[in-house]
Amino acid sequence: EVRLVESGGGLVQPGGSLRLSCEDSKFTFRIYWMSWVRQAPGKGLEWVANIKQDGSEKNYVDSVEGRFTISRDNARNSVYLQMNSLRVEDTAVYFCARDSMGVLDSWGQGTLVTVSS
Amino acid sequence: QLVLTQSPSASASLGASVKLTCTLSSGHSSYAIAWHQQQPEKGPRYLMRVNNDGSHRRGDGIPDRFSGSSSGTERYLTISSLQSEDEADYYCQTWVTGIQVFGRGTKLTVL
Repeated sequence: EVRLVESGGGLVQPGGSLRLSCEDSKFTFRIYWMSWVRQAPGKGLEWVANIKQDGSEKNYVDSVEGRFTISRDNARNSVYLQMNSLRVEDTAVYFCARDSMGVLDSWGQGTLVTVSS
Repeated sequence: QLVLTQSPSASASLGASVKLTCTLSSGHSSYAIAWHQQQPEKGPRYLMRVNNDGSHRRGDGIPDRFSGSSSGTERYLTISSLQSEDEADYYCQTWVTGIQVFGRGTKLTVL
């Protein structure tokens, strides 16, 4: 069973930074695209970013372009989300998910990011 | 623009069946989608992929009470023999050239 574990969430002031991590327990990590998806309190799922297997291609939702950076380390079976210039509206639970040819077929349990003064 | 439309809510009785709908925007009838379940206070759980020809493939460990089908731009998730733990939010998801798109979700209440 694929197991994804996120970490790094917390409380940060507007304008601050956080780095989220997601570790995959499976050795097959390197053959998949990986995504970050967030869910604001009481809201639905919103895709945030994804990254190709070798890190050569990255995509972002418009609202985070230029502020967030997705990266990965295949040797550590990990994907990261560096979040800078955080805004109140970035408050959400952030999930990582494995992308299997477009289908997000495995999810982590999420990590909460709260942006507040 | 690729958009997925879902009804905000649905309800059905314990032991009955329910069919949830996800509608692709016009011009996207060839797209496959995925269904995800999110129980209260939990992360999403992948249920299945539904193709435009109606074929579907369930994720690991998903019981066969969950099935998928398709008609035109509509993709369906049918849950039979409803159980209390099926009360959850259900999201459809699709993808195009590197980006992911979600529907707004349907909240299913089991009566």
